[in-house]
Amino acid sequence: KAGVTQTPRYLIKTRGQQVTLSCSPISGHRSVSWYQQTPGQGLQFLFEYFSETQRNKGNFPGRFSGRQFSNSRSEMNVSTLELGDSALYLCASSPNVQETQYFGPGTRLLVL
Amino acid sequence: DQQVKQNSPSLSVQEGRISILNCDYTNSMFDYFLWYKKYPAEGPTFLISISSIKDKNEDGRFTVFLNKSAKHLSLHIVPSQPGDSAVYFCAARDSGNTPLVFGKGTRLSVIA
Repeated sequence: KAGVTQTPRYLIKTRGQQVTLSCSPISGHRSVSWYQQTPGQGLQFLFEYFSETQRNKGNFPGRFSGRQFSNSRSEMNVSTLELGDSALYLCASSPNVQETQYFGPGTRLLVL
Repeated sequence: DQQVKQNSPSLSVQEGRISILNCDYTNSMFDYFLWYKKYPAEGPTFLISISSIKDKNEDGRFTVFLNKSAKHLSLHIVPSQPGDSAVYFCAARDSGNTPLVFGKGTRLSVIA
């Protein structure tokens, strides 16, 4: 089975712009979660989706949003980018909620 | 408030010896624990997990021990190999509708 794929892998944006990141889960997986990783901060939870519904949202401002499509693919959007949004954004999928999550390679976002 | 703590940011071990990575948690509702390994430029890879009904789980060279009364778990790698050099994340969840909580990671260096 193909693993979790994330596109793009690398992205450079400037402050004030907006960005959309994409995640395709492992085939058959219906739950998708997003995390932000910054140096020394571990993985900070952003969102969790299951069957197109957001089940959980982390402690991030409203500039961060996401959605899940009927084929379980997910996107996250960050509007009005700030320098502090520079990070590795990781997507993870699992067959159902509360099951082991498998991660994609991440999208590294640099905001200048 | 960090619910999952990995107090050692880094650890160096000689090849062939035992690596012990530690993790403490504060939330007594956590009942499932996971370890992930992360290489640079890749997403975290699931390594091993343990349920709170057990105190030990083994998978090849990897063993996770859980001490519920101390709210402490540890990952033992025996024998350590240079390819084990990576950042190791501890994660925990409860049985409710809450997301995985990750520690900040411990960087393991296995020296040949």
